[in-house]
Amino acid sequence: DIQMTQSPSSLSASVGDRVTITCRASQSISSHLNWYQQKPGKAPNLLIYTASSLRSGVPSRFSGSGSGTDFTLTINSLQPEDFAAYFCQQSYSTPRTFGQGTKVQIK
Amino acid sequence: QVQLVQSGAEVKKPGASVKVSCKASGYTFTSYYMHWVRQAPGQGLEWMGVINPSGGSTSYAQKLQGRVSMTRDTSTSTVYMELSSLRSEDTAVYYCARESFFTSPIQLNYYYMDVWGKGTTVTVSS
Repeated sequence: DIQMTQSPSSLSASVGDRVTITCRASQSISSHLNWYQQKPGKAPNLLIYTASSLRSGVPSRFSGSGSGTDFTLTINSLQPEDFAAYFCQQSYSTPRTFGQGTKVQIK
Repeated sequence: QVQLVQSGAEVKKPGASVKVSCKASGYTFTSYYMHWVRQAPGQGLEWMGVINPSGGSTSYAQKLQGRVSMTRDTSTSTVYMELSSLRSEDTAVYYCARESFFTSPIQLNYYYMDVWGKGTTVTVSS
C-alpha cells in the first residue's frame, strides 16, 4: 500500500496569511494526488485533483503543486471560511490512501 | 442535481452487523465507481473499499476483509455497505463517495472523489 504523510498535523494562522501544507507519498504516484477540505460535521469536499487542477467553483486562492512523491497545497490570503481540516489522497493505486490530515486553526 | 443520499444513523451492539445504503441520483449510476470511506471520532479518513456499480466487482481494504461486503442494486441506483462482527473500533461516520476521472491528452485517467454523501453515524456500544 502507498503511505501518505502530511505535515504539519495542525497549524495556527491568521486571516490573510499564506498557508502551505505538504504531502509525501511512499512511492512515486506521478500526479495522482487529490486534496480535500473538511469542515466539522461535514463530508470532505474536493478542492484540487491531479495535483494541481482546481475544481470548478473553488476559490483561486487555493493551489496545488508537485509530482512524483512530494506535493503541496497552498492557500493564499487565508479567509475565515478556510479554517478546516485538509487531506491529501492518492489515486494511483488501490487501496486509495489518505494523509492523516492537517487542521488549520485560527491564531 | 448529482447527489448521494445515505441512510440514517445506527446504534449496534458488539458482534452485530450493520448495513448502510447510499442512493445515487442525477447521473448514470453504472458509469462511476463508488467508494466507502469512514472516519472515527476525531480521526482521519480511512478507505474501506470500492464497488463497480456496473458489474458489481469489489475491492476491500485488507484490514476489513471477511467483515465487509459492498453490493449494489441497479434498479434503485443504490449501493450498500455491510459490516459484520462489529466492535467498538468500528464506531465512525461512514461516507459513500463517487469517483470520477479526468482523461489526459495522452489518455491517462486520473481519479478523484467528487461527490460525497453526508455520512452515516454508526455507533457500536454495549
